[in-house]
Amino acid sequence: GIQVEQSPPDLILQEGANSTLRCNFSDSVNNLQWFHQNPWGQLINLFYIPSGTKQNGRLSATTVATERYSLLYISSSQTTDSGVYFCAVELDSGGSNYKLTFGKGTLLTVNP
Amino acid sequence: KAGVTQTPRYLIKTRGQQVTLSCSPISGHRSVSWYQQTPGQGLQFLFEYFSETQRNKGNFPGRFSGRQFSNSRSEMNVSTLELGDSALYLCASSETGAGNQPQHFGDGTRLSIL
Repeated sequence: GIQVEQSPPDLILQEGANSTLRCNFSDSVNNLQWFHQNPWGQLINLFYIPSGTKQNGRLSATTVATERYSLLYISSSQTTDSGVYFCAVELDSGGSNYKLTFGKGTLLTVNP
Repeated sequence: KAGVTQTPRYLIKTRGQQVTLSCSPISGHRSVSWYQQTPGQGLQFLFEYFSETQRNKGNFPGRFSGRQFSNSRSEMNVSTLELGDSALYLCASSETGAGNQPQHFGDGTRLSIL
């Protein structure tokens, strides 16, 4: 099956710092999403971004599908940004297989 | 618009019992997917339903089953519970489940097996 690798596995920042999270995937995809899981376990959809660049406030994401990677940028981090960030993809098998494969996540801790 | 609703939020069972979890999708969403999250295996796909039909299933034993009703609500059932079934079970919905749509997750059901 498709492999999804996220880096770094852990990241500790001071409030106000910027960061870049990376997601590499092993095959062509027709769906790529970034999620944030907060300390209470809630999984929040940040971006649906199979290609191109999107921005939402202090967060932005870029996916280069031809090179099989995606980046999530967090600027001016806040303590509420703490949690685990997941990248999830759906393999492009010629149609939809209705299944997301998740990476192991990046655990982000933002200290005040 | 209300989000994805999962019930119950917490559940404690003993080995050998069975359990049923419920998921109500966002209004208008007809695709419902289930995922299991454990510290060791991460987030793993269980199955996906659309119009009461299972379209894909992950690599889980037959003890894990699900169904979807005509109003798009879904249930998953785990029989003969094992200690390793302790996990956070997450349900997600989208309009049709196609790859060009975002998935929206519920808050999950935390299942603990004693």
